[in-house]
Amino acid sequence: DSGVTQTPKHLITATGQRVTLRCSPRSGDLSVYWYQQSLDQGLQFLIQYYNGEERAKGNILERFSAQQFPDLHSELNLSSLELGDSALYFCASSGTTRNEQFFGPGTRLTVL
Amino acid sequence: GQSLEQPSEVTAVEGAIVQINCTYQTSGFYGLSWYQQHDGGAPTFLSYNALDGLEETGRFSSFLSRSDSYGYLLLQELQMKDSASYFCAVLDSNYQLIWGAGTKLIIKP
Repeated sequence: DSGVTQTPKHLITATGQRVTLRCSPRSGDLSVYWYQQSLDQGLQFLIQYYNGEERAKGNILERFSAQQFPDLHSELNLSSLELGDSALYFCASSGTTRNEQFFGPGTRLTVL
Repeated sequence: GQSLEQPSEVTAVEGAIVQINCTYQTSGFYGLSWYQQHDGGAPTFLSYNALDGLEETGRFSSFLSRSDSYGYLLLQELQMKDSASYFCAVLDSNYQLIWGAGTKLIIKP
């Protein structure tokens, strides 16, 4: 158990819909990262927040947005969903050792 | 641009030794990390090399050569449970982790 929690574990929705994925980092970690992993693919970095502020942006689509709240939990919002958005979405957190990220169990999103 | 190269797939026999290579080209370099991911699971941290040389942790070792922009993960006494994907990742000058595409390790009995 990494200490990072993600909800929901599974999500099935239809094209055109909007969903929100939630992540709670490890206690004390200020950085939160979001990743997308499509079937048999590598990890695609989406976005990073540090203590409520956006720190870095990766290959995140304009239809996707995220935020980190004062209690440090984070949400990833995916809108106008397409079939190709079906993937595992991971949240990770890190503390002062930035080379080591702790990953949550992931949310498996299926868009039908 | 920034890139990390690692083989897409490696096959080895149970009990043997296998090496997974990673070459990188990034803007700045603080260190090289390795992560393991089992099918359907989350990536988990294995090791980190900031300096040249070999770091050993049990059956796993990780090596770094900064002058060659190269590192590898060495797995000894392979067990079936080691079947997984292995990712190398570079901590760049912005303290961002840049990820390789992953190497799928297949272990045969």
